[in-house]
Amino acid sequence: GAVVSQHPSRVICKSGTSVKIECRSLDFQATTMFWYRQFPKQSLMLMATSNEGSKATYEQGVEKDKFLINHASLTLSTLTVTSAHPEDSSFYICSAPLGTEQFFGPGTRLTVL
Amino acid sequence: KNEVEQSPQNLTAQEGEFITINCSYSVGISALHWLQQHPGGGIVSLFMLSSGKKKHGRLIATINIQEKHSSLHITASHPRDSAVYICAVDINADKLIFGTGTRLQVFP
Repeated sequence: GAVVSQHPSRVICKSGTSVKIECRSLDFQATTMFWYRQFPKQSLMLMATSNEGSKATYEQGVEKDKFLINHASLTLSTLTVTSAHPEDSSFYICSAPLGTEQFFGPGTRLTVL
Repeated sequence: KNEVEQSPQNLTAQEGEFITINCSYSVGISALHWLQQHPGGGIVSLFMLSSGKKKHGRLIATINIQEKHSSLHITASHPRDSAVYICAVDINADKLIFGTGTRLQVFP
């Protein structure tokens, strides 16, 4: 099946720094990618829809100035957590659709100290 | 009330048992997904259903569109099936709404 990768898989940073997470579709092109967040023992929640060549669409309650999304090419979307705080510590996952299927990245665990 | 409800939240089983996980939803959908999340967090898509039934190995998924209900069955369960199983509904051809997941532990 199709493959979606994420980098890094794990990151620890100090409060106030910015962290960039990459999501790549390795063997297919994706004009749309999705970013999700999962807090411990909670369900995945959609944060935003990343659109190649245009602005991302954010879900209600997600700060677009804090979670910057750039979909610069048909195979790469990046999520930058700006001025990260401990409450941003979470598991971030991306997905990309191919046809009617969704393919998920392996996730990035962010810990903000 | 969540738009996607799963039951049970936690499930333990002995190796070899037949397992059923249920998912009910309250919105109109174009498709329903069953996902498996391993302890490290990685997610694998098991099935995508819009009607009827699908089978892959020991896994079977069914959906009843009229009743807004889906089930995931695991036959002859094995400890390696231990994971969180997540139901997700596709409401407009791309946006997924997730259930809270069912944590399955299968003991030898």
